Amino acid sequence: EPEVTQTPSHQVTQMGQEVILRCVPISNHLYFYWYRQILGQKVEFLVSFYNNEISEKSEIFDDQFSVERPDGSNFTLKIRSTKLEDSAMYFCASSLQGNQPQHFGDGTRLSIL
Amino acid sequence: QKEVEQDPGPLSVPEGAIVSLNCTYSNSAFQYFMWYRQYSRKGPELLMYTYSSGNKEDGRFTAQVDKSSKYISLFIRDSQPSDSATYLCAMSWSNTGKLIFGQGTTLQVKP
Repeated sequence: EPEVTQTPSHQVTQMGQEVILRCVPISNHLYFYWYRQILGQKVEFLVSFYNNEISEKSEIFDDQFSVERPDGSNFTLKIRSTKLEDSAMYFCASSLQGNQPQHFGDGTRLSIL
Repeated sequence: QKEVEQDPGPLSVPEGAIVSLNCTYSNSAFQYFMWYRQYSRKGPELLMYTYSSGNKEDGRFTAQVDKSSKYISLFIRDSQPSDSATYLCAMSWSNTGKLIFGQGTTLQVKP
């Protein structure tokens, strides 16, 4: 069964450094998402992306965050200058359409030191 | 009032029991309702997807949506130790697909 894959599984970065999290969505899906889950807290929406542009973003998704689909298969989340509070699991998801079920990857655990 | 509320548990049941998991919500605009299962150190895995009110059954799983009460449920019949996981409810109203998640309920099924 097709699945969403994320790399790396664990990323350790110094505060203030840039980090790029990578995702390969399911190949025929058109909508792409990033969510994060701080330890012990809810899964929170960050951003949705369709037709090469952001369709919706949350308050969390400030100017330090950006997303990109650099080619036909990858979808990336960049954090420009990481903060301690960015430490979390980051999940990528994709769906065929915006109101269709979303399928998640296994996440990247981001640890900011 | 939180947008989506879910009792975090933990909920412990013997193998073979019927499990009932629930979420309440405050936003009457929600139209799409999902249940995900999450094992430790894994991503959410879609179990059930429902549009609007009603029931949906898939094997041992039944999802119910009562929009008048703003209440959704997931029933697991003949629960197995392999069902031990965290169960997340999620909802959406938007064509952009933004999901609002509950806290998740941790379930343990004891052999």
